[in-house]
Amino acid sequence: GNSVTQMEGPVTLSEEAFLTINCTYTATGYPSLFWYVQYPGEGLQLLLKATKADDKGSNKGFEATYRKETTSFHLEKGSVQVSDSAVYFCALRPGGYQKVTFGTGTKLQVIP
Amino acid sequence: NAGVMQNPRHLVRRRGQEARLRCSPMKGHSHVYWYRQLPEEGLKFMVYLQKENIIDESGMPKERFSAEFPKEGPSILRIQQVVRGDSAAYFCASSEMMAGQAQETQYFGPGTRLLVL
Repeated sequence: GNSVTQMEGPVTLSEEAFLTINCTYTATGYPSLFWYVQYPGEGLQLLLKATKADDKGSNKGFEATYRKETTSFHLEKGSVQVSDSAVYFCALRPGGYQKVTFGTGTKLQVIP
Repeated sequence: NAGVMQNPRHLVRRRGQEARLRCSPMKGHSHVYWYRQLPEEGLKFMVYLQKENIIDESGMPKERFSAEFPKEGPSILRIQQVVRGDSAAYFCASSEMMAGQAQETQYFGPGTRLLVL
């Protein structure tokens, strides 16, 4: 079946540090890949997505590249801010099907 | 354009009562999905609906849970005879349809946090 594995958190960084949150997946075919962010007490917001191999999704300084050879979609940001503190979910949607499979989430804490 | 709306945001029920959660999709979206998030866990798919049709309910518990998306009005997730293990955040998402298919990006509502005493 389909699955998403994320690095466990919490991840604690100082402001302006470099961020990497690892995500690997298992899926048949060619899934679309997503990163969602969840701020405390809120729902999930789509952060970025990539729909095919070698695509790079980017938004608000975050980037992730769809690597089919390593089945990975790692999230990166060059300089984090306190306002980036949230839980980040990696997710996949198999081609031609609607059910999205989520990772367990990685909590990021950015301290001033 | 208003986002996905869910109500209530918080719901407290005693064991054995019924919980009714509502979701209004984004304007123009005809596909609705329900997910459950247990404490400290990721989201788990429950059910996928189009207007008046259940497309995939593979994630729904076999008993006590039901979902509908009528022609008019919001989608409803109904939990009968709630138990403490039903305490969770329930998220609704919606997507639009183009060329006869649901588009891949799902937009999420703020969730309903159900607490069963």
